[in-house]
Amino acid sequence: DQQVKQNSPSLSVQEGRISILNCDYTNSMFDYFLWYKKYPAEGPTFLISISSIKDKNEDGRFTVFLNKSAKHLSLHIVPSQPGDSAVYFCAASESGNNRLAFGKGNQVVVIP
Amino acid sequence: GAGVSQSPSNKVTEKGKDVELRCDPISGHTALYWYRQSLGQGLEFLIYFQGNSAPDKSGLPSDRFSAERTGGSVSTLTIQRTQQEDSAVYLCASSSQGQGTGELFFGEGSRLTVL
Repeated sequence: DQQVKQNSPSLSVQEGRISILNCDYTNSMFDYFLWYKKYPAEGPTFLISISSIKDKNEDGRFTVFLNKSAKHLSLHIVPSQPGDSAVYFCAASESGNNRLAFGKGNQVVVIP
Repeated sequence: GAGVSQSPSNKVTEKGKDVELRCDPISGHTALYWYRQSLGQGLEFLIYFQGNSAPDKSGLPSDRFSAERTGGSVSTLTIQRTQQEDSAVYLCASSSQGQGTGELFFGEGSRLTVL
């Protein structure tokens, strides 16, 4: 079963605008959440993470928001740049469990 | 190089053949993971190695799949009697500590096509 869900598989956004990616999870034991970015023919690379003790984490143009009650997190990219065009994976884990559960990914296309 | 290295990058095989995929993690990383990504799917956990501990094999989809990690470094994922549904990109990742507190560093993957 898919414990981490990413709907809206693709997103197109104009350069300079905000990109918002959403992620829902079903396992209430998850307490650590990550976003990975993947370019074609490359492995995923870590982007940003958030612990369940926080509701927001910001790193430059990237901000992740966590709503534990709704089991929902989102990634905001602002301003979006053409180099942000990639597939973004949401991932989650629980303490003491060494596996990351990944969503199916969102394709983001930033139009110059 | 300094990153996770995987080989081969592409492998085409006939149904029923055995394949071996290799992963060379980042030097000094004690944790090593195998994931796979089938078409249109997310990354599916397969197996996890941490130091000298017994591996977590709970994600292996069938007994045709096995993996070993020799000397705490290089790992080989073996798929016996391959089936068409085994076609996927097999990704290896390593980290300096158990995941949940540290990021994973992924290789570029081995794309397996079973005809």
